[in-house]
Amino acid sequence: SQELEQSPQSLIVQEGKNLTINCTSSKTLYGLYWYKQKYGEGLIFLMMLQKGGEEKSHEKITAKLDEKKQQSSLHITASQPSHAGIYLCGADIGAGGTSYGKLTFGQGTILTVHP
Amino acid sequence: DTEVTQTPKHLVMGMTNKKSLKCEQHMGHRAMYWYKQKAKKPPELMFVYSYEKLSINESVPSRFSPECPNSSLLNLHLHALQPEDSALYLCASSQDLSGVSSPLHFGNGTRLTVT
Repeated sequence: SQELEQSPQSLIVQEGKNLTINCTSSKTLYGLYWYKQKYGEGLIFLMMLQKGGEEKSHEKITAKLDEKKQQSSLHITASQPSHAGIYLCGADIGAGGTSYGKLTFGQGTILTVHP
Repeated sequence: DTEVTQTPKHLVMGMTNKKSLKCEQHMGHRAMYWYKQKAKKPPELMFVYSYEKLSINESVPSRFSPECPNSSLLNLHLHALQPEDSALYLCASSQDLSGVSSPLHFGNGTRLTVT
């Protein structure tokens, strides 16, 4: 099974709707990254969450980290076609967060936003 | 625009060819990475360099040979590849290997096709 599970696997929404993507770890989270990827392109860094309960926002995207639940959520408010893409969570889930660069990714959530 | 530059964008090579992928960053980062991404899958770590020394090799076949000539450059030399090696190869860099506080910045990747 995946060490990082994302849900849903895909999401289709109408422009203007809110949405949430979840990322759940099978191991203790020592921090978590969210990335966005357009098909065939590189990953764009969105946010990094380091502490339990931490919440960060950038423009219309908010991410939270719940360390106790070993889970993070990414929430997009009033979605736009420009938000479309693949959202990936990544985490260093080695012992004590010291895997020294070995970032593990979830399988991704494909977001489609219809105008 | 990404601050990690990868060349070429696309590469088609035969199984007997020798080619190289190149990656460059000028952010002063001291850790550099190669990831491989198959279609509809998350990126998978191949190699990690820290301060120009190989830090992690994820049991990658020897037909892939990484090289870090200096702190700004990372190469991946390819020889005798198989069609199943066709994938998007992503280079990334981070300030160091301090774990969760040092996010990875990715290039746009090289789309490799092995015929």
